[in-house]
Amino acid sequence: DAGVIQSPRHEVTEMGQEVTLRCKPISGHDYLFWYRQTMMRGLELLIYFNNNVPIDDSGMPEDRFSAKMPNASFSTLKIQPSEPRDSAVYFCASSHRDFKRDQYFGPGTRLLVL
Amino acid sequence: AQSVTQLGSHVSVSEGALVLLRCNYSSSVPPYLFWYVQYPNQGLQLLLKYTSAATLVKGINGFEAEFKKSETSFHLTKPSAHMSDAAEYFCAVSDPGGKLIFGQGTELSVKP
Repeated sequence: DAGVIQSPRHEVTEMGQEVTLRCKPISGHDYLFWYRQTMMRGLELLIYFNNNVPIDDSGMPEDRFSAKMPNASFSTLKIQPSEPRDSAVYFCASSHRDFKRDQYFGPGTRLLVL
Repeated sequence: AQSVTQLGSHVSVSEGALVLLRCNYSSSVPPYLFWYVQYPNQGLQLLLKYTSAATLVKGINGFEAEFKKSETSFHLTKPSAHMSDAAEYFCAVSDPGGKLIFGQGTELSVKP
């Protein structure tokens, strides 16, 4: 099993640019979660999907952030326009419907906005 | 509302010594509790979980945790630390909808 796959692993961009982060969940998993990790705020849940449908996006910081899951094997998190305070590590995680709390995390995307 | 508090942002032990990482929780319903480990530049990995079965839970790599309702605690222990245990450890509680709420993390250092 390949595990959760995220790309890119590292992203450096300039303020104002659009950033797209990608995630491929584990095959057969029904839930997909996007988290952000920073030193100041720790690990925060941004949004999660069940069967490709967004269930809770209350953690999305503002309208500059959007997430989609067009099919069961792909999700994107987009930031437009990006700001320096968006610099963080972004994790994607997935889980099976029978064990939805058992989340498997990807390696993360380290984002730096200059 | 559910929350967790990890006592100590950094813990240092000698190789072979007992590891004790503290976690206290707050939950309005019987909790599901988790410990995750994060090695440098990697994602989080599930170490163990409590789901209202046995109060003493055994996980991977020799770790275990004991659920104590009276103390609202779920501390993580390992009898003998290895150098490879150096990592950051996160305690988490699940809300009724299944979302995980993570603590701030405890960085474990292991001295030779």
